[in-house]
Amino acid sequence: AQSVAQPEDQVNVAEGNPLTVKCTYSVSGNPYLFWYVQYPNRGLQFLLKYITGDNLVKGSYGFEAEFNKSQTSFHLKKPSALVSDSALYFCAVSPRAGSYQLTFGKGTKLSVIP
Amino acid sequence: DAMVIQNPRYQVTQFGKPVTLSCSQTLNHNVMYWYQQKSSQAPKLLFHYYDKDFNNEADTPDNFQSRRPNTSFCFLDIRSPGLGDAAMYLCATSRNLWLRGDSNQPQHFGDGTRLSIL
Repeated sequence: AQSVAQPEDQVNVAEGNPLTVKCTYSVSGNPYLFWYVQYPNRGLQFLLKYITGDNLVKGSYGFEAEFNKSQTSFHLKKPSALVSDSALYFCAVSPRAGSYQLTFGKGTKLSVIP
Repeated sequence: DAMVIQNPRYQVTQFGKPVTLSCSQTLNHNVMYWYQQKSSQAPKLLFHYYDKDFNNEADTPDNFQSRRPNTSFCFLDIRSPGLGDAAMYLCATSRNLWLRGDSNQPQHFGDGTRLSIL
């Protein structure tokens, strides 16, 4: 069965510093991987995806993620954090077969401190 | 803009009193999903419609039902809400059930309805 782990419940980072939100996955075969962001009382907004190709994926709002097959990781990164990046971040996976069914991690709350 | 719209944004109901949440989409997507999200937790898929075909997740309580009268609308009915059903309910859509390499994103989400039970 597919699964996603986000080992940190919360990440705090100072404004202007680089940020990393961690995600590891477990799936049979090669995965499709996604990051979503959720602001308070809002739905999930898509940030980026990895399907195939370059291991470094660039997405919305200056975010990027690095796919590492050997470590089964897909960490979300941003070179310089903004206060407005403070939100809940979800990593999700679906199997290469391309099933609709996303499995979400439990989420990581990112707080960017001015 | 094409989008997924959920009404109302906040809903209060009484313990045991049936409640209906609504979702509409202008994306003309084939698939519509309902998720339950409790505080600071991952969204949990309840069921989905592919066109008119309804698919229930194995662990979705019988208390939760859904209707999709047409492509654009989908409803979540909670027949007898309990205190444990207080949550954010998210509607999402996707063009198809199966991801394709050129898909921009697998699912588009509405802003949710926060349900409170008195």
